[in-house]
Amino acid sequence: GENVEQHPSTLSVQEGDSAVIKCTYSDSASNYFPWYKQELGKRPQLIIDIRSNVGEKKDQRIAVTLNKTAKHFSLHITETQPEDSAVYFCAALIKEIYNQGGKLIFGQGTELSVKP
Amino acid sequence: EAGVAQSPRYKIIEKRQSVAFWCNPISGHATLYWYQQILGQGPKLLIQFQNNGVVDDSQLPKDRFSAERLKGVDSTLKIQPAKLEDSAVYLCASSLVREGGFYEQYFGPGTRLTVT
Repeated sequence: GENVEQHPSTLSVQEGDSAVIKCTYSDSASNYFPWYKQELGKRPQLIIDIRSNVGEKKDQRIAVTLNKTAKHFSLHITETQPEDSAVYFCAALIKEIYNQGGKLIFGQGTELSVKP
Repeated sequence: EAGVAQSPRYKIIEKRQSVAFWCNPISGHATLYWYQQILGQGPKLLIQFQNNGVVDDSQLPKDRFSAERLKGVDSTLKIQPAKLEDSAVYLCASSLVREGGFYEQYFGPGTRLTVT
């Protein structure tokens, strides 16, 4: 079936600490996994994405790891700042037509709160 | 670069009434998506267009929802008649394909629909 499970639903950390959000997916054919950040009342925006030919990707304080065998992937935010507070969504692409697109299945979201 | 435009931003209607949403994607983006985002959940794909053809509408409640993308650019999503459970934010997105199988979706600001 088409399903992405995301945990935790809420996460509260102190400024400067790390935050980790985990997702599992059901379609073993999925090869593309983006993460979106949605601030309150605003549109989702892509923050990082990974394909299954690599196990990890970093972009400054953000990193994503992927375990294709276990069908799970995680978002890691280091040195968190108050402006990181938002809802984060993971997603997995199914029915991919390579270099054209496919269907994104989103997780339920994690509300991250970074306390100063 | 102009972003994805949507209108209206807010709409309040009574159940059994009809409503229509409009989306103008980023120029040159061939793929357009309509998502339904219920409060506290991730976006759920309703319909995906490639140019003016439908790629996926498996989760569109076709007895009440319809969508079209004439001339492969603007799109409209219609609900007729609306039910209470249709209260949600309706997000339009268009996507850019980056080399190597990366697909960034650009979301519009959304239309917040309240059905009373």
